[in-house]
Amino acid sequence: AQSVTQPDIHITVSEGASLELRCNYSYGATPYLFWYVQSPGQGLQLLLKYFSGDTLVQGIKGFEAEFKRSQSSFNLRKPSVHWSDAAEYFCAVGAVTGTYKYIFGTGTRLKVLA
Amino acid sequence: GAVVSQHPSWVICKSGTSVKIECRSLDFQATTMFWYRQFPKQSLMLMATSNEGSKATYEQGVEKDKFLINHASLTLSTLTVTSAHPEDSSFYICSGIAGIGEQYFGPGTRLTVT
Repeated sequence: AQSVTQPDIHITVSEGASLELRCNYSYGATPYLFWYVQSPGQGLQLLLKYFSGDTLVQGIKGFEAEFKRSQSSFNLRKPSVHWSDAAEYFCAVGAVTGTYKYIFGTGTRLKVLA
Repeated sequence: GAVVSQHPSWVICKSGTSVKIECRSLDFQATTMFWYRQFPKQSLMLMATSNEGSKATYEQGVEKDKFLINHASLTLSTLTVTSAHPEDSSFYICSGIAGIGEQYFGPGTRLTVT
């Protein structure tokens, strides 16, 4: 069955520290991969996406993610976290095969300590 | 990135009344739009897929007669919650597809039914 797993429900890091949010997926083929961020009471903002090509993708706000096919992972990283990065982060996989189908992970809530 | 708006951002209605939520793609044409529901501290739950000019496709367990979706143009989809009840209170988010498969989300609508 197709699924997306974000193993960490909550993560707390100090401001300035590095960050890695994990995402693992189960999908029949190579899917489209996304990371979104959601601030409280807001919609989701696209941080970055992977469709094909270079497996290390750069996104907005200094985020990057690496697609590892052998591990079925698409982990999100940031070298130095800012207090404004505190939010909920969602990993998603999608497929375009005539119709669109997306699956979202359950999210990781990031807390940043000053 | 592409911009999606939602209106209203917050609505309070009495039990038994109907509420319409608008979702507009402001700078792109969205052949396909999605409607999600999000409960506090949870991930997004897909309610339905809306295709311009055709009937929406509802996910299992979503009452199509209660959640009426109309995708009348390439830039507008509406969700009408009919005969709303307190259990319909939630955060409703729409999204549109742009590019080759990226979802762009609206800011969400907080519905409170009293």
